[in-house]
Amino acid sequence: KAGVTQTPRYLIKTRGQQVTLSCSPISGHRSVSWYQQTPGQGLQFLFEYFSETQRNKGNFPGRFSGRQFSNSRSEMNVSTLELGDSALYLCASRADVLNTQYFGPGTRLTVL
Amino acid sequence: DQQVKQNSPSLSVQEGRISILNCDYTNSMFDYFLWYKKYPAEGPTFLISISSIKDKNEDGRFTVFLNKSAKHLSLHIVPSQPGDSAVYFCAATSSNSGYALNFGKGTSLLVTP
Repeated sequence: KAGVTQTPRYLIKTRGQQVTLSCSPISGHRSVSWYQQTPGQGLQFLFEYFSETQRNKGNFPGRFSGRQFSNSRSEMNVSTLELGDSALYLCASRADVLNTQYFGPGTRLTVL
Repeated sequence: DQQVKQNSPSLSVQEGRISILNCDYTNSMFDYFLWYKKYPAEGPTFLISISSIKDKNEDGRFTVFLNKSAKHLSLHIVPSQPGDSAVYFCAATSSNSGYALNFGKGTSLLVTP
């Protein structure tokens, strides 16, 4: 099976702009979660989507949002970008009845 | 607050020896624990997991031990190989409150020839 894919791999934006990142889960996985990795805070949970519904949300401001489509592909959006949003954004997918999450390669976002 | 802690930021081990990476957690609701290996600018790669109903799980050179009373788990790699050099993350989750993974800050393992 193909793994989790994320696009784009690298992105450079300026403060105040918005950005959309995309994730395609492993075939058959309906759960998609998003994480942010920064040097200071480490890996932090953003949100999880299952069957197009957000089921769980981490402690991030409302500028961070997401959605999931009927084919389980997911997008996350960050509006009004701040310098501190520069990070590696990781997507992970999980099979329905299992706890193990499999990660994609990530999108490196740089905000200037 | 950090619910999963990896108190050793780095570890250096000789090739062929055992590597032991440690992890402590504070939330007694965690019931599933995972170890991931990560290279810079890449996504974490799943290594091994353990449910709270077990105290040991093995997969090849990797063994994870869980001590629920101490809220402590460890990853043993035997024998260690230079290709094992990477950052290792411990993660924990609770099925009762969603499947969000809570990660430690990671331990950088260096295996020297």
